[in-house]
Amino acid sequence: EVQLLESGGGLVQPGGSLRLSCAASGFTFSSYAMSWVRQAPGKGLEWVSGISSSGGSTYYADSVKGRFTISRDSSRNTVYLQMNSLRAEDTAVYHCAKDRWGHSSSCDYWGQGTLVTVSS
Amino acid sequence: DIQMTQSPSSLSASVGDRVTITCRASQGISNYLAWYQQKPGKVPKLLIYGAYTLQSGVPSRFSGSGSGTDFTLTISSLQPEDVATYYCQRYNSAPFTFGPGTKVDIK
Repeated sequence: EVQLLESGGGLVQPGGSLRLSCAASGFTFSSYAMSWVRQAPGKGLEWVSGISSSGGSTYYADSVKGRFTISRDSSRNTVYLQMNSLRAEDTAVYHCAKDRWGHSSSCDYWGQGTLVTVSS
Repeated sequence: DIQMTQSPSSLSASVGDRVTITCRASQGISNYLAWYQQKPGKVPKLLIYGAYTLQSGVPSRFSGSGSGTDFTLTISSLQPEDVATYYCQRYNSAPFTFGPGTKVDIK
């Protein structure tokens, strides 16, 4: 059974940093791309970032480019999202998702998400 | 960047009705289009990828069509459990933008 468990969310002041983690199990982690998708309270889905199966290709939404960094550790079956220079508009539930292939594509499994609140 | 729009933004239909949701890309994306269903309080569920390929386990009343810039998601016979918000997403090239969503409920 595929499981994705996010952690690392919380309350942070504007300008602060957080690192989200997503522990994956139930599939061959090194074979699939992974994504982060966020959803602000009462709003729609926003794709944030993606990373290929090898980690050699990374992708970002314009809204987070230069502030967020995605990475993965296949020895730990974990994908990370380092978030710097956080803004109020980054407040959202952040979901980790498994892509269907080794390169970024549609997402067939989603974690429950971790809430990030940016506020003073 | 390629923008995604959806119409309508919401709809209300009766059980058994045929429901069609449209997704439009501002530039051609071939068939790199997915549809997701998100029920209230739940995580999104992949329904269709490649514009028309049904994800395993998804009821056959769901279908997708289109290519290029115009796509549709059709529910052939709306059921009470289909109450949800539906999102399209392009994945031809980054950023892999979602549409704004279409909220479906029962009349």
